[in-house]
Amino acid sequence: DQQVKQNSPSLSVQEGRISILNCDYTNSMFDYFLWYKKYPAEGPTFLISISSIKDKNEDGRFTVFLNKSAKHLSLHIVPSQPGDSAVYFCATNNAGNMLTFGGGTRLMVKP
Amino acid sequence: DVKVTQSSRYLVKRTGEKVFLECVQDMDHENMFWYRQDPGLGLRLIYFSYDVKMKEKGDIPEGYSVSREKKERFSLILESASTNQTSMYLCASSLGIAGPPRGEQFFGPGTRLTVL
Repeated sequence: DQQVKQNSPSLSVQEGRISILNCDYTNSMFDYFLWYKKYPAEGPTFLISISSIKDKNEDGRFTVFLNKSAKHLSLHIVPSQPGDSAVYFCATNNAGNMLTFGGGTRLMVKP
Repeated sequence: DVKVTQSSRYLVKRTGEKVFLECVQDMDHENMFWYRQDPGLGLRLIYFSYDVKMKEKGDIPEGYSVSREKKERFSLILESASTNQTSMYLCASSLGIAGPPRGEQFFGPGTRLTVL
């Protein structure tokens, strides 16, 4: 039973437009939510996070929104660039040492 | 910058062979993790360790064992490799309880293991 789900395996967006990646979770006890980005043949790298006590966190072109009532998390990338093409994983942390990852969404930004 | 290195980028082994995957981190992190990544399944935790000689099972420990003799090194062992262990293996490390509460983990580049 997956606690963290990314229902879209892939997403294609035109350069300059907005990319929206979604993530749903089942456990209300998570304290932090993280997004990781992974290029082929590289390990995932941390992108942005949000605490469960907030509903929005912004870092440059990247904004993460948290809707606790819907148990839904989204990552917005504006404007999208070809270099953003990668696999994005959402992950949750319940105040321990453990992260639980979603299945990933492959983003393709077309020039 | 935190650096996590893995001993091999690509590895091809035969069914039944014993396989060792090595991971080293240089930031004095307490926690180390082994994941496997398969398409559509994300990253699944195999084992983790929060201290030297300590280990805990993750979600899919069957067919694997680990060793942590030194703080900076965490080894994953496939006792008898099988074809269903063909996967990308990722090592990660993080600070322990003194670290940031978001629990960010730092990943190595991965080892693509193929078992024939």
